[in-house]
Amino acid sequence: DSGVTQTPKHLITATGQRVTLRCSPRSGDLSVYWYQQSLDQGLQFLIQYYNGEERAKGNILERFSAQQFPDLHSELNLSSLELGDSALYFCASSADRGRETQYFGPGTRLLVL
Amino acid sequence: GQNIDQPTEMTATEGAIVQINCTYQTSGFNGLFWYQQHAGEAPTFLSYNVLDGLEEKGRFSSFLSRSKGYSYLLLKELQMKDSASYLCAVSPNQAGTALIFGKGTTLSVSS
Repeated sequence: DSGVTQTPKHLITATGQRVTLRCSPRSGDLSVYWYQQSLDQGLQFLIQYYNGEERAKGNILERFSAQQFPDLHSELNLSSLELGDSALYFCASSADRGRETQYFGPGTRLLVL
Repeated sequence: GQNIDQPTEMTATEGAIVQINCTYQTSGFNGLFWYQQHAGEAPTFLSYNVLDGLEEKGRFSSFLSRSKGYSYLLLKELQMKDSASYLCAVSPNQAGTALIFGKGTTLSVSS
């Protein structure tokens, strides 16, 4: 158990819908990262938040957005969903001190039908 | 551009030793990580190298050569439970930035 929690574990929805994925980092970690993992791609970085502020953006679509709240939990919002958005979405957190090992949550498996 | 290459698949037998290679070309370098990922589960941290040389941790060792842009993960005394995907990831910038992942090497261990 990494100490990072994600909900829900599974999500099935239809094209065009909107969903929200939630992540709580390890106690004391200030950085939260969101990654997408589909079958034919490796882990793709989407976005990073540090202590409530957006720090870096990766290959995140405009239909996707995220935020980090004062209690440091984060939410990833996916809208106008398409079939190709079906994937595993992982959240990771790090302490931002030293070597910055990222610890991953169990992921949310999203299936868009 | 940023590129990390590792073999797609490898097979080995129980009790054997296997070496998984990773080559990288990134705009910067602040360390290389290896993660293990069982199917459908979260990646779990295995090792970290930032200086050249070998880091040993039980049955697993990881090596880095920064001048060659090369790393390997060495797994000894293989067990069936080692069947998983092994992900090589580079931190290209200062600490606290996103990792760039390779596509992973799927290792199958047979008896």
